[in-house]
Amino acid sequence: ETGVTQSPTHLIKTRGQQVTLRCSSQSGHNTVSWYQQALGQGPQFIFQYYREEENGRGNFPPRFSGLQFPNYSSELNVNALELDDSALYLCASSLGTGGYGANVLTFGAGSRLTVL
Amino acid sequence: AQSVTQPDIHITVSEGASLELRCNYSYGATPYLFWYVQSPGQGLQLLLKYFSGDTLVQGIKGFEAEFKRSQSSFNLRKPSVHWSDAAEYFCAVLGGNTPLVFGKGTRLSVIA
Repeated sequence: ETGVTQSPTHLIKTRGQQVTLRCSSQSGHNTVSWYQQALGQGPQFIFQYYREEENGRGNFPPRFSGLQFPNYSSELNVNALELDDSALYLCASSLGTGGYGANVLTFGAGSRLTVL
Repeated sequence: AQSVTQPDIHITVSEGASLELRCNYSYGATPYLFWYVQSPGQGLQLLLKYFSGDTLVQGIKGFEAEFKRSQSSFNLRKPSVHWSDAAEYFCAVLGGNTPLVFGKGTRLSVIA
């Protein structure tokens, strides 16, 4: 089975720009979660997608948005980038039923975003 | 809302020595508990999880963890550390209808 793959692995943007990060979920998984991991911190939950709908959201502003596609892959979009958006963005997939039940998340290697 | 505290930011152990990484959680009921490991430049790999039943759980790479409800703890242990265990370790808690919450992590260094 293929794991979770993310692209790009690294990217550099300037303040005010927009970025799109992509994630292919593990085969058989229908739920995707996105996390932001700032340097020296633990991952922070951004949002989760299930059946192409946002299924929960953490404490992130609306300029963080996402999509999930019929094949369960997903995108994270961030508009009007700020310096504090510099972080490792982790995508995780799981086999869920729309909640946060006993789902084991499988993580990708992440996309490291640097905002200058 | 649940939370996780990992009191040790950085731990250094000698190769072959035993290891214990501490994790305390805050949640009103019995949570689901996890330990993940992150090597430099890598994503998070699941070491082990506790959902219910036996409070001592075994994981990959020789790790184990013990759930102690009375202490709200889920400490990770390994009897003999290898140099390849050097990494960042994250404890995480899942409870009710809320997403997985991580601690800030403990960085493990292994010296010869």
